[in-house]
Amino acid sequence: QVQLVQSGAEVKKPGASVKVSCKASGYTFTSHGISWVRQAPGQGLEWMGWISTYSGDTNYAQKLQGRVTMTTDTSTSTAYMALRSLRSDDTAVYYCAREHIAGAKLPGTYDYWGQGTLVTVSS
Amino acid sequence: DIVMTQSPDSLAVSLGERATINCKSSQSVLDSSNKKNYLAWYQQKPGQPPNPLIYWASTRDSGVPDRFSGSGSGTDFTLTISSLQAEDVAVYYCQQYYSTPITFGQGTRLEIK
Repeated sequence: QVQLVQSGAEVKKPGASVKVSCKASGYTFTSHGISWVRQAPGQGLEWMGWISTYSGDTNYAQKLQGRVTMTTDTSTSTAYMALRSLRSDDTAVYYCAREHIAGAKLPGTYDYWGQGTLVTVSS
Repeated sequence: DIVMTQSPDSLAVSLGERATINCKSSQSVLDSSNKKNYLAWYQQKPGQPPNPLIYWASTRDSGVPDRFSGSGSGTDFTLTISSLQAEDVAVYYCQQYYSTPITFGQGTRLEIK
């Protein structure tokens, strides 16, 4: 069965960086893109960006451009999201999500989600 | 960016009754070339990731009970739960994937009356 398993919770100081992993199993990793979505405490869902697991193409939210980097390691079927220059308003649960449509060249809708990784930014 | 606005923000419905949640986009999410509306719905329970319900505005995801249905086109969409069950208590989000950035509605909290 399809599973996305994310790395554990992180506590970081303002200005630091964090890298969250998302290990996929149960399907051909390169057939579906991965998006990252975050959710601040008690708030709604915010799309951060997308990566094609086939080509490595990325599409980032404008507000995070320059601070976020999404990568994949196809040898381990793992996607990564790195966020630098962390601020207190980056405190959130970070989710990876699998694109519903195989081979999509743009981000779309999501059929499987990771369990979430809480990143806390505090001095 | 396409702004997604849901109404109401919260809703209380009796068990067995119909629940209706609306979602309006600031511009059309209908692709006239393929006649598809790039609109999805998710359910989120506390402490869990979102659970996909509907895509292409009206297609149920695998395993979703048929009491959940989606309708609408262009800029106005509706999620309907035909007969509310206790396990449907959750926050519901609409999402457009017509263009990037992908955007979500603010969420509608559904409770039992």
